[in-house]
Amino acid sequence: AQSVTQLGSHVSVSEGALVLLRCNYSSSVPPYLFWYVQYPNQGLQLLLKYTSAATLVKGINGFEAEFKKSETSFHLTKPSAHMSDAAEYFCAVITGGGNKLTFGTGTQLKVEL
Amino acid sequence: DVKVTQSSRYLVKRTGEKVFLECVQDMDHENMFWYRQDPGLGLRLIYFSYDVKMKEKGDIPEGYSVSREKKERFSLILESASTNQTSMYLCASSQDRHLGKLFFGSGTQLSVL
Repeated sequence: AQSVTQLGSHVSVSEGALVLLRCNYSSSVPPYLFWYVQYPNQGLQLLLKYTSAATLVKGINGFEAEFKKSETSFHLTKPSAHMSDAAEYFCAVITGGGNKLTFGTGTQLKVEL
Repeated sequence: DVKVTQSSRYLVKRTGEKVFLECVQDMDHENMFWYRQDPGLGLRLIYFSYDVKMKEKGDIPEGYSVSREKKERFSLILESASTNQTSMYLCASSQDRHLGKLFFGSGTQLSVL
């Protein structure tokens, strides 16, 4: 069964520092992978998605993620954190033969001055 | 912009009550989903629907049912609410059958006392 694992339920970075949020997947077939963000008191919104085209995917708000098959990873990065990036981030994978989106447990990002 | 509207932001119910959570989307999307979100567990799929009057069980359907009488509306029903159903409930819709992008409502925080 396809699934994703997010390492680190809480990550704290300084403003201006690199953001790295980790996601590893398990899948017997090439996966479709996603990153979603949830700002306080809001629903989730799509940051970016990988659908087997380019391995480096650029998303909104300066985020990007790289699909690495050899490491079964799809880590989310941003070169320079901003206070407005403080939110919860979810990695997700399509499962159930393409019928369902299964989410990881989430990583809460805190950005400090 | 796509809008997914959940009828209540906060809801408090008593054990044993029948609870209806309503969700409406305004973009004529075929697919609609109900998730629950719990700290440390991420989002878990309860039910989804690909068409009017059609429903499929997600990963945790026990204790829930759904109704989709009209394309734009997808209701989640707790037949007899229990304290372990206290949670944040998120509704989502998608145009793409292969889940290119989900649009989420802002959630209903349900407390069952």
